Amino acid sequence: QKEVEQNSGPLSVPEGAIASLNCTYSDRGSQSFFWYRQYSGKSPELIMSIYSNGDKEDGRFTAQLNKASQYVSLLIRDSQPSDSATYLCAVNYNQGGKLIFGQGTELSVKP
Amino acid sequence: DAGVIQSPRHEVTEMGQEVTLRCKLISGHNSLFWYRQTMMRGLELLIYFNNNVPIDDSGMPEDRFSAKMPNASFSTLKIQPSEPRDSAVYFCASSPVRDSAGNTIYFGEGSWLTVV
Repeated sequence: QKEVEQNSGPLSVPEGAIASLNCTYSDRGSQSFFWYRQYSGKSPELIMSIYSNGDKEDGRFTAQLNKASQYVSLLIRDSQPSDSATYLCAVNYNQGGKLIFGQGTELSVKP
Repeated sequence: DAGVIQSPRHEVTEMGQEVTLRCKLISGHNSLFWYRQTMMRGLELLIYFNNNVPIDDSGMPEDRFSAKMPNASFSTLKIQPSEPRDSAVYFCASSPVRDSAGNTIYFGEGSWLTVV
């Protein structure tokens, strides 16, 4: 089992719809979780971090964490063509800072 | 503030040659990460340092790869000898002093390496 797993996609949604991105992780000791966005040819940039069970909202983005199910998700409301990118889930495994990334989910928002 | 600075941005080299990638951390950050990204394997952690000390190098693929952090703000990743399968984007990233909220890492723009 991979340490961090994501559906590779591509996930295609129409403009204005909700995009739902999912991630599972294997280490129950993980405490910090991150979503990064990566445009083609660019470096990953942080969108959101989440550390506690439940939802965390930031503008059109909502991160959801369920530690019991070892599951993290990212919802993007009112999706825009500019949201088209690869979304990377990252999990911090220990206090030393080892951040492991999933393979990424490619999102395409169609006008 | 300047972000993580990597050089070179692009390099094409012949198999067997030595490649050195360089990284300057964000001022005040104390953790440094080297990642490699390919289509097949995604974003892989090669090695990371805390306060100039290598903490985990289990991702370094083989002895041809070595990384150093000679001071608090600078690191190098060396491949000697290089092989075509080393072709990838190599990202350097840094993070600030850890707090209870966990560390967020910030990426450089990457070094695009092609070995022919």
